[in-house]
Amino acid sequence: QKEVEQDPGPLSVPEGAIVSLNCTYSNSAFQYFMWYRQYSRKGPELLMYTYSSGNKEDGRFTAQVDKSSKYISLFIRDSQPSDSATYLCAMSDTGNQFYFGTGTSLTVIP
Amino acid sequence: GAVVSQHPSWVICKSGTSVKIECRSLDFQATTMFWYRQFPKQSLMLMATSNEGSKATYEQGVEKDKFLINHASLTLSTLTVTSAHPEDSSFYICSGAAGGTDTQYFGPGTRLTVL
Repeated sequence: QKEVEQDPGPLSVPEGAIVSLNCTYSNSAFQYFMWYRQYSRKGPELLMYTYSSGNKEDGRFTAQVDKSSKYISLFIRDSQPSDSATYLCAMSDTGNQFYFGTGTSLTVIP
Repeated sequence: GAVVSQHPSWVICKSGTSVKIECRSLDFQATTMFWYRQFPKQSLMLMATSNEGSKATYEQGVEKDKFLINHASLTLSTLTVTSAHPEDSSFYICSGAAGGTDTQYFGPGTRLTVL
């Protein structure tokens, strides 16, 4: 079993839709959770960083962590064509080792 | 947010030559730096982890004699691909993590094409 599971998609939504991206994990020691956005041929860009459980909101983006279910989510409200990218979840237990999902490819159609 | 740069952004070389890629943390001290490679439409594959002043720790299956990593300072790490072959053509991405921040900041990546 992989440490982190993420549906690769592709996911295609109309502009303005709410997008839900998810990852599950198996290691209960993970306590640092991150979402990255990667445009084609670019390095990943940190979008959201969450420690332990709970929600974090930043503009149109909301990250949720449910440690009891070992499940994290990223919600994008009012999605825009510029949100079209690959979204990677990542997590860590100590901050020394990081485990990435395979990435979900998102296309927002105008 | 923290900024990481990579140089060059794209390099084309002949088979058998060596290529050096630089990774710099511009506004923070990267205690740990990571090197990844990524094939088209695939996820990141961790190659090695390096701590400043120490030898890099390579992932299983990564040849340490082929991919030489040097992390000489808290702001600079280099990856040298020795005797490059066409199968080494890939997108190489570095990232840095500052002690205590528990997240990584990625560089923009370097596209390596070996002819």
